[in-house]
Amino acid sequence: NAGVTQTPKFRVLKTGQSMTLLCAQDMNHEYMYWYRQDPGMGLRLIHYSVGEGTTAKGEVPDGYNVSRLKKQNFLLGLESAAPSQTSVYFCASSSPEGRNSYEQYFGPGTRLTVT
Amino acid sequence: ELKVEQNPLFLSMQEGKNYTIYCNYSTTSDRLYWYRQDPGKSLESLFVLLSNGAVKQEGRLMASLDTKARLSTLHITAAVHDLSATYFCAVVPSNYKLTFGKGTLLTVNP
Repeated sequence: NAGVTQTPKFRVLKTGQSMTLLCAQDMNHEYMYWYRQDPGMGLRLIHYSVGEGTTAKGEVPDGYNVSRLKKQNFLLGLESAAPSQTSVYFCASSSPEGRNSYEQYFGPGTRLTVT
Repeated sequence: ELKVEQNPLFLSMQEGKNYTIYCNYSTTSDRLYWYRQDPGKSLESLFVLLSNGAVKQEGRLMASLDTKARLSTLHITAAVHDLSATYFCAVVPSNYKLTFGKGTLLTVNP
């Protein structure tokens, strides 16, 4: 049981390049989330999904796109990277069921630098 | 707009001392979560508080929830260096999204 995994762990991009971050969870969770974490800003929600085939915007969605084609995977795309997107990205998942419903389980993070 | 405010944001304390971190939130939430993050690591769930008056303890950490006051506390007893980390509280304004506080960076000095 790997929990939540993220690929890649580190990446350096040049301005204007594109990339996709992959999040996978093996807990059969309905809900998945993408956050970015910047110093002094805490965690900010980028996009989230409440089920396969659904996505919704979070607090800071501009410059990002997401897809949830399979329940266990949630992809975060950067079409044209900008230095302002330099950050640590965390994926999380949760379930509406169970005693600790909506408790989010986090992946190890992806450190992205855009030069 | 939902606000989740943690106080203090930075806390430097000596080993053996006690202290409390506060988490205030601005809207109704019937549950609250505490997470710990070590430097360069991910977030790890510490406590899930599910009702008014809930109290949970693990080791030197104890968390409580007062939903009427919209306040949660994380109390540290006889701090040790291993507790140095950033602590986040989070509330659930809607059923599937958490809103996080900015975190409290705790440093425990010998």
